[in-house]
Amino acid sequence: QKEVEQDPGPLSVPEGAIVSLNCTYSNSAFQYFMWYRQYSRKGPELLMYTYSSGNKEDGRFTAQVDKSSKYISLFIRDSQPSDSATYLCAIPTNTGNQFYFGTGTSLTVIP
Amino acid sequence: DVKVTQSSRYLVKRTGEKVFLECVQDMDHENMFWYRQDPGLGLRLIYFSYDVKMKEKGDIPEGYSVSREKKERFSLILESASTNQTSMYLCASSFQGMEYNEQFFGPGTRLTVL
Repeated sequence: QKEVEQDPGPLSVPEGAIVSLNCTYSNSAFQYFMWYRQYSRKGPELLMYTYSSGNKEDGRFTAQVDKSSKYISLFIRDSQPSDSATYLCAIPTNTGNQFYFGTGTSLTVIP
Repeated sequence: DVKVTQSSRYLVKRTGEKVFLECVQDMDHENMFWYRQDPGLGLRLIYFSYDVKMKEKGDIPEGYSVSREKKERFSLILESASTNQTSMYLCASSFQGMEYNEQFFGPGTRLTVL
């Protein structure tokens, strides 16, 4: 079983839709959960991170962690064409130096 | 502004050639990484370096080697390029010592081996 699994998509939604991107993980000891965004022909950039359970909000983006079911989600409200990108979930290993990455979900927001 | 730069955005090489991919970071990071990214497979770690002249194998080191002679520079070497090494190569760097250490990525090098 992989340490992190991510819904592969692709996902195509109309502008203004609410988007839900999801990952599951295997190790209940994981504490930090991160979302990277990667635009086409660019490297990934950190979008948000959360610690332990609960929600974290940043503008139109909400990161949610459910440790009981080992499930992490990224919600995008009022999605915009500029949100079109690949989104990767990432979880640091116990040293914090290396990450387990999900395979990424490609999102297209149609104007 | 933090910066990770990679020597080439696009590279075309022939089977059997020796290929050098260079990565430079200006953030004084201890850690540097080389990944390859393929559709459906995501990011896969090739090699990781936590200090000058130190390296650790990642998940897929076969066919690759690395060199880190200076803190800011991490090179990936394909000793004899093969067509199955056609991929997007991403370099990243991070600090050490925190419970999570954000990795900063370069723009990537798209390598095609003919």
